[in-house]
Amino acid sequence: DIQLTQSPSFLSASVGDRVTITCRASQGISNYLAWYQQKPGKAPKLLIYAASTLQSGVPSRFSGSGSGTEFTLRISSLQPEDFATYYCQQLNSYPYTFGQGTKLEIK
Amino acid sequence: EVQLVESGGGLIQPGGSLRLSCAASGFTVSSNYMSWVRQAPGKGLEWVSVLHSGGSTYYADSVKGRFTISRDNSKNTLYLQMNSLRAEDTAVYYCATEFVGPTRYFDCWGQGTLVTVSS
Repeated sequence: DIQLTQSPSFLSASVGDRVTITCRASQGISNYLAWYQQKPGKAPKLLIYAASTLQSGVPSRFSGSGSGTEFTLRISSLQPEDFATYYCQQLNSYPYTFGQGTKLEIK
Repeated sequence: EVQLVESGGGLIQPGGSLRLSCAASGFTVSSNYMSWVRQAPGKGLEWVSVLHSGGSTYYADSVKGRFTISRDNSKNTLYLQMNSLRAEDTAVYYCATEFVGPTRYFDCWGQGTLVTVSS
């Protein structure tokens, strides 16, 4: 199975900050990687797919990059609604796997 | 509008069975790849199973042999039959559609249904 390791697991930041979340795969997954945002009590929401393609309707302050085994999610200027938990997911092969999540909290 | 609505969750004793449903609207279940994903309380996301449009199925090792994914085309509904339930199966279960093309991603999720396995 392909393991995904996100870092950091917790991140404390302020409105307006730029933040970066990393997702490392245990083996190459090309660009079959998606990022999701989840708020408490809600279903995950797709932010980015194919490692770097922004889902329709997602603000441009979100961006993704990477290929192979190392991927990054960046938020250029944090807004109050961005405080949530973020997950990466590999869709290269079954079983699909998720990273353990990064909880982004307000400083 | 594409919508997924899960139902069927509840409290069940260890060793028991439960069937979850995921009713779809705005698209045809049988023409899409459909997955179940679960989330234990306070924990991360875990992919459980997928049903391809062509009928192929895949399962996580943690549920293989105990869970069965299926669909009813006439009802446009996806199911997850869960047998021999264990405490560690306690989770919110989401169904999701998978876009399959030059890339892949889960683009539509239901609101989830809570399954609690406890005596």
